[in-house]
Amino acid sequence: AQSVTQLDSHVSVSEGTPVLLRCNYSSSYSPSLFWYVQHPNKGLQLLLKYTSAATLVKGINGFEAEFKKSETSFHLTKPSAHMSDAAEYFCVVSPPEGTGTASKLTFGTGTRLQVTL
Amino acid sequence: NAGVTQTPKFRVLKTGQSMTLLCAQDMNHEYMYWYRQDPGMGLRLIHYSVGEGTTAKGEVPDGYNVSRLKKQNFLLGLESAAPSQTSVYFCASSYFGYEQYFGPGTRLTVT
Repeated sequence: AQSVTQLDSHVSVSEGTPVLLRCNYSSSYSPSLFWYVQHPNKGLQLLLKYTSAATLVKGINGFEAEFKKSETSFHLTKPSAHMSDAAEYFCVVSPPEGTGTASKLTFGTGTRLQVTL
Repeated sequence: NAGVTQTPKFRVLKTGQSMTLLCAQDMNHEYMYWYRQDPGMGLRLIHYSVGEGTTAKGEVPDGYNVSRLKKQNFLLGLESAAPSQTSVYFCASSYFGYEQYFGPGTRLTVT
């Protein structure tokens, strides 16, 4: 069984300030974890993924996330927000990649990031 | 490569009408998926396929049917649309159990 909780439904930051989007997960195995971004009226784009290699994962557009097993967390961060980062972000958990379980993804409910001038 | 494409982009149906959503991928992926996205609920898996000619139920399969006659295509059918099926539908594909690639979505409204 697996589940994911995004702790904030909405986060607002000023341009140039750090971004923190929080995600906790629950899993009965060693999961794969993902962050996806969805810009308005667009599909989902993969930001980064954790698949049991390095615990600090770097993604596109300056985002990174750290897998902390003891805290069951996978928070997304960025040192300096840009206006173009305004979007919805989804934390996703799945069984380990390549295990033949059709990578059944479980999505969080999303965090809407607002970036102000 | 076009990646994952979905047809149509928008559709309005009356209750009881039927329609088929088409998903196509050009990445030679074995696995394909249909999700629906509703406000405040993330994405939920409707049906998926692990290869040509195979389909399986996901989390919310009721009211939908699917077919995978060709490896590159995955069709989602609504036989008798209901207002509760108003949603944004996303198709995705993956190379076996690896990273999923998503299409741009289909916005369906049932009146």
